[in-house]
Amino acid sequence: KQEVTQIPAALSVPEGENLVLNCSFTDSAIYNLQWFRQDPGKGLTSLLLIQSSQREQTSGRLNASLDKSSGRSTLYIAASQPGDSATYLCAAPPNYGQNFVFGPGTRLSVLP
Amino acid sequence: DTEVTQTPKHLVMGMTNKKSLKCEQHMGHRAMYWYKQKAKKPPELMFVYSYEKLSINESVPSRFSPECPNSSLLNLHLHALQPEDSALYLCASSQLLRGPRPGELFFGEGSRLTVL
Repeated sequence: KQEVTQIPAALSVPEGENLVLNCSFTDSAIYNLQWFRQDPGKGLTSLLLIQSSQREQTSGRLNASLDKSSGRSTLYIAASQPGDSATYLCAAPPNYGQNFVFGPGTRLSVLP
Repeated sequence: DTEVTQTPKHLVMGMTNKKSLKCEQHMGHRAMYWYKQKAKKPPELMFVYSYEKLSINESVPSRFSPECPNSSLLNLHLHALQPEDSALYLCASSQLLRGPRPGELFFGEGSRLTVL
């Protein structure tokens, strides 16, 4: 059964710092991996989707990498801003299924 | 349009009530999902519909009854719920690629359910 973990559980940084959030998964037979952002009491917003054949995906100040062999993905946030404060979750479906398994999330607070 | 619309946004019900949550998407996605999320926890999968057929039921109690009337709509019927069922209920949808493989997952804003 797929298990997804995220480190750190929480992070508080001053504005302007570059950040790395980590996601690890136990079963490397994944089809893709997706990063989400969730604001308190809201739904999840898709940030980046990395296909299993890709190594990286970029959107603005966000860059996500995927290393299937080691069971890891990282989300890099450049020049963090207070508006980036949220919980960041990663999720991966198995190779032939739709049961996305979510990590517990990283709660990010960017201080002005 | 990458929108998944959920109604109602908030719902308060008693343990003997019957209510429904609704979800709609017009992205042509053929997989639709119900997730339950408790405070400070990740979403937990409840049900998946693929091509309007129930493909995954994660051993959810029968007081939750999903329905997929067509490829754009997903309902969750609620009956005789318990206070511990209070949570944020999230609907999501995705394309299905090369058979059962899901594409990008898109979520609605959720329905906040309180059971008294």
